Amino acid sequence: EADIYQTPRYLVIGTGKKITLECSQTMGHDKMYWYQQDPGMELHLIHYSYGVNSTEKGDLSSESTVSRIRTEHFPLTLESARPSHTSQYLCASTQGGTDTQYFGPGTRLTVL
Amino acid sequence: RKEVEQDPGPFNVPEGATVAFNCTYSNSASQSFFWYRQDCRKEPKLLMSVYSSGNEDGRFTAQLNRASQYISLLIRDSKLSDSATYLCADSGAGSYQLTFGKGTKLSVIP
Repeated sequence: EADIYQTPRYLVIGTGKKITLECSQTMGHDKMYWYQQDPGMELHLIHYSYGVNSTEKGDLSSESTVSRIRTEHFPLTLESARPSHTSQYLCASTQGGTDTQYFGPGTRLTVL
Repeated sequence: RKEVEQDPGPFNVPEGATVAFNCTYSNSASQSFFWYRQDCRKEPKLLMSVYSSGNEDGRFTAQLNRASQYISLLIRDSKLSDSATYLCADSGAGSYQLTFGKGTKLSVIP
């Protein structure tokens, strides 16, 4: 089991608002990831980080941005939320030397 | 683009049945493979890792066939609680990124 946390779990917000989705892990994992998943659809990697001050965009283009100032914290920000951003956002982390990813519980975002 | 393909679902099976899922991968350099279980509206949870020819954990058996580039997941004596979507993933060649399949939905019916 992995200790990885996401807040909020559910968020309903109006168009144009700035939002930050939080992801934290207490295991000292150096690699962290953000995925986007629509209901019944596949996971899409949108951002990843291999360590502090290292962030990269994933396979799916996203208007969100991320930062990695501390090992345990990998927040995702949307500067101006739109209805097309409605989705589930899943954070994951990997322990050093392996590829096994452990997922947080996700944030279900609805933009009205 | 490296891809992971899974059996299209859904699989509807009676309790107690044995069910097998297949997953093919296109990256011949992939070293590590994973099966995740995802319940509706929940996060994926690791079911099994596969690094060599296979792995077994209770009623679940995963087998890797490198020559044909596929991995399989066998579930014996299906339980109602096994109903979920099963995701296959491979790690590529040292990229620290996983490529996920679209998942196969399993429904175990009484």
